[in-house]
Amino acid sequence: AQSVTQLGSHVSVSEGALVLLRCNYSSSVPPYLFWYVQYPNQGLQLLLKYTSAATLVKGINGFEAEFKKSETSFHLTKPSAHMSDAAEYFCAVSDPGRGAQKLVFGQGTRLTINP
Amino acid sequence: NAGVTQTPKFQVLKTGQSMTLQCAQDMNHEYMSWYRQDPGMGLRLIHYSVGAGITDQGEVPNGYNVSRSTTEDFPLRLLSAAPSQTSVYFCASSIRGPSSGNTIYFGEGSWLTVV
Repeated sequence: AQSVTQLGSHVSVSEGALVLLRCNYSSSVPPYLFWYVQYPNQGLQLLLKYTSAATLVKGINGFEAEFKKSETSFHLTKPSAHMSDAAEYFCAVSDPGRGAQKLVFGQGTRLTINP
Repeated sequence: NAGVTQTPKFQVLKTGQSMTLQCAQDMNHEYMSWYRQDPGMGLRLIHYSVGAGITDQGEVPNGYNVSRSTTEDFPLRLLSAAPSQTSVYFCASSIRGPSSGNTIYFGEGSWLTVV
């Protein structure tokens, strides 16, 4: 069965510092991977996704993630944090093909930006 | 373009009452789904549909019922509300579903409290 583990339920960085949010997955086949962001009292918005093209994926708001099959990881990074990046971030995985149409989410990481 | 619209935004129910959360999308998406979000648990799939007349269970289907009579609408019914169903509910849709690598678009959420 698919599963996603996000290391660290809370991450705090200073404004201008590197943001690194960790995501590891387990899947029986090469997966599709997604990062979503959720601002307070709102729905989820897609940041980026990996669908077996380039392993380094660039998303919105300056975020990017690299798919590393050997490490079963899809960590999210941003070189310089901005106050507006404070939100909760979710990593999610799905299995390609015509099987179960299920997107499995990690527990989420709350990102705090310190001035 | 309204996207995914959920109603109501907030609801308080008494234990044992029934209610329906409404979800509509205007993007002609085949795939629709319902998630619940609880602290520290990410989002968990309740039910999903890959087209009108077709529904399937997700990870936490007990206590919930769905139907898909049209492409646009995917209501979620709570049959007999319990305090354990206090949660934030998200409806989501995509062209064909996560196993196709399609982006899933989320509604703004429905906050449900069962007392």
